[in-house]
Amino acid sequence: DSGVTQTPKHLITATGQRVTLRCSPRSGDLSVYWYQQSLDQGLQFLIQYYNGEERAKGNILERFSAQQFPDLHSELNLSSLELGDSALYFCASSAGTSGGNNEQFFGPGTRLTVL
Amino acid sequence: GQNIDQPTEMTATEGAIVQINCTYQTSGFNGLFWYQQHAGEAPTFLSYNVLDGLEEKGRFSSFLSRSKGYSYLLLKELQMKDSASYLCAVFPHGGATNKLIFGTGTLLAVQP
Repeated sequence: DSGVTQTPKHLITATGQRVTLRCSPRSGDLSVYWYQQSLDQGLQFLIQYYNGEERAKGNILERFSAQQFPDLHSELNLSSLELGDSALYFCASSAGTSGGNNEQFFGPGTRLTVL
Repeated sequence: GQNIDQPTEMTATEGAIVQINCTYQTSGFNGLFWYQQHAGEAPTFLSYNVLDGLEEKGRFSSFLSRSKGYSYLLLKELQMKDSASYLCAVFPHGGATNKLIFGTGTLLAVQP
């Protein structure tokens, strides 16, 4: 158990809908990262937050948005869902925001299926 | 651009040694990670290299050559539970971001 929690574990929805994925980082960690993992692709970095502020953006679509709240939990909002958005969505957390040895701890993931 | 290459699949025998290679071309370099991921589960940290050389951690070792843009993960005394995907990830930037670039992973099958 990494200490990172994600809800829900599974989500099934229809095209065009909007969903919210939730993540609680490890106690004391200030950084939260979101990743998407499709069957045919590796882990794709989406976005990073540190202590409530956006720090880095990856391959995140405009239909997707995220935020980190004062209690440090984070939400990833996916809207106008398409079939291709079906994937595992992982949240990870780390203590800080700089330094290459700032290990990221991953949550169990949310499996999103868009029908 | 950023590019990380790993073999897609490998097969090895229980009790043997296997080496999983990773080459990278990134805009910068501030460290390389190896993660293990069992199917449908979260990646878990295995090792971190930022300087050239070998880092040993029990049955797992990781090597880095920055001049060659090359790393390998060495798994000794293979066990069936080592069957998993092994992800190489590079931390290209220093400073204010911990953005990691992941390879697509190497799926290792350990056979009896």
